[in-house]
Amino acid sequence: NAGVTQTPKFRILKIGQSMTLQCTQDMNHNYMYWYRQDPGMGLKLIYYSVGAGITDKGEVPNGYNVSRSTTEDFPLRLELAAPSQTSVYFCASGKSGGADTQYFGPGTRLTVL
Amino acid sequence: RKEVEQDPGPFNVPEGATVAFNCTYSNSASQSFFWYRQDCRKEPKLLMSVYSSGNEDGRFTAQLNRASQYISLLIRDSKLSDSATYLCVGGVSGNTGKLIFGQGTTLQVKP
Repeated sequence: NAGVTQTPKFRILKIGQSMTLQCTQDMNHNYMYWYRQDPGMGLKLIYYSVGAGITDKGEVPNGYNVSRSTTEDFPLRLELAAPSQTSVYFCASGKSGGADTQYFGPGTRLTVL
Repeated sequence: RKEVEQDPGPFNVPEGATVAFNCTYSNSASQSFFWYRQDCRKEPKLLMSVYSSGNEDGRFTAQLNRASQYISLLIRDSKLSDSATYLCVGGVSGNTGKLIFGQGTTLQVKP
C-alpha cells in the first residue's frame, strides 16, 4: 500500500492564481481531512469528509474548496491564492470517525508570492 | 484559550535523560487523546494513544488525567533519534474523527 499520497510536493503561486492539491489514499478509508500547518504552529483543519459525496468545513475553510467524488480522492482547491495561504498542507485519512489513527500524506509546501 | 495547549520548548536534554512533556485540554467532551511525532519537514505520525489507565510502549509512557484535563508523555533513556516535535492531540466528540492538535513540543537530544 502506498498509503496517502499528495501531489505536488512543492509549488510557488502568484497572488490571484488558482491550483488544486491532490490527495489519494489506497486504504479504503471513509474519512479524509485537509490540514494546514504554519511555521511553529499546530495543524489546523481546513475541510473534512466522512465519505464519498459528503464534505464539511473545518476550522479554517475560507479561500478553499473540496470535493469527494470517490472514496480514494479528496482534492483541495485554492481559488485566488493569497500570501496568507503560504503554508504546508497535509492530507490525512482515517478508517472510522471514532478514536482512530489518522494517516498523513507527506505534505505539499505552498508559497504564494 | 487554545483547546490543546503545550509548552513549545525546545527541550534540550543529553542522551540517556528522562524527559516529560505536558499538555492541557479545555474541551471536557474530548473522548480520545493521542501523541503524534513529527520530524522536521515531515508528516505527523502516531506515536501512541493515551488512556486513563496509562499506556506504556517501550521507553514511552503516556498518561491521561481527566479530572485535571491533563495529558503527559514520559520518555526514558532518551536517544538521539528521539529528537522531533511531539504533538498532543485530542479527538473531537461525535463521529467525524476530527482531531485538535496542540502546537507541539520540540525535543532536542544531544550527545
